[in-house]
Amino acid sequence: GAGVSQTPSNKVTEKGKYVELRCDPISGHTALYWYRQSLGQGPEFLIYFQGTGAADDSGLPNDRFFAVRPEGSVSTLKIQRTERGDSAVYLCASSLSATVTEAFFGQGTRLTVV
Amino acid sequence: TQLLEQSPQFLSIQEGENLTVYCNSSSVFSSLQWYRQEPGEGPVLLVTVVTGGEVKKLKRLTFQFGDARKDSSLHITAAQPGDTGLYLCAGESNSGYALNFGKGTSLLVTP
Repeated sequence: GAGVSQTPSNKVTEKGKYVELRCDPISGHTALYWYRQSLGQGPEFLIYFQGTGAADDSGLPNDRFFAVRPEGSVSTLKIQRTERGDSAVYLCASSLSATVTEAFFGQGTRLTVV
Repeated sequence: TQLLEQSPQFLSIQEGENLTVYCNSSSVFSSLQWYRQEPGEGPVLLVTVVTGGEVKKLKRLTFQFGDARKDSSLHITAAQPGDTGLYLCAGESNSGYALNFGKGTSLLVTP
């Protein structure tokens, strides 16, 4: 596609459930980033992939969060045992090279944990 | 973490007015970026400033990078309703892999 695509656009889940959020980067982009944006805040870095490997996962808040990118394209952010505090917009971005200042963002997935 | 403070947090003005929003830090950045984010959308890059003292213009928007590369400003001339949105500044983290964002300035321009 022309841009970064994220699905679903909205996800409502019950506390304690497992969720998966998908990101389709721009074709050919080797770098992929996940950010989380809470209400009234700027995006916060979660994890960075270069190809298939997670080059930097220092932003993941705890071990309930995990992300994969098995074929170096689509990425899935997985959250186990969701908590109300996980409610936020999860943004994905991709860039042609490992130049984060040239990344393009998707529209985000709004996750609501009830 | 290199913190970026943005001010004001909220700004509501009428069409035709001028405004300036600020992005400040105690840290030096190799570059700073400005994004605009509309509801339900991801941030869209407006400009990257790299050189201390640099001024860049994008139509009615003027961006300036401080001489010490610790701060930046965005000036909008004759604001229009289409300028409404959340304006975010961001700088590269020390790792080079992530962007540190400010909390943003939420701008509302009314006709």
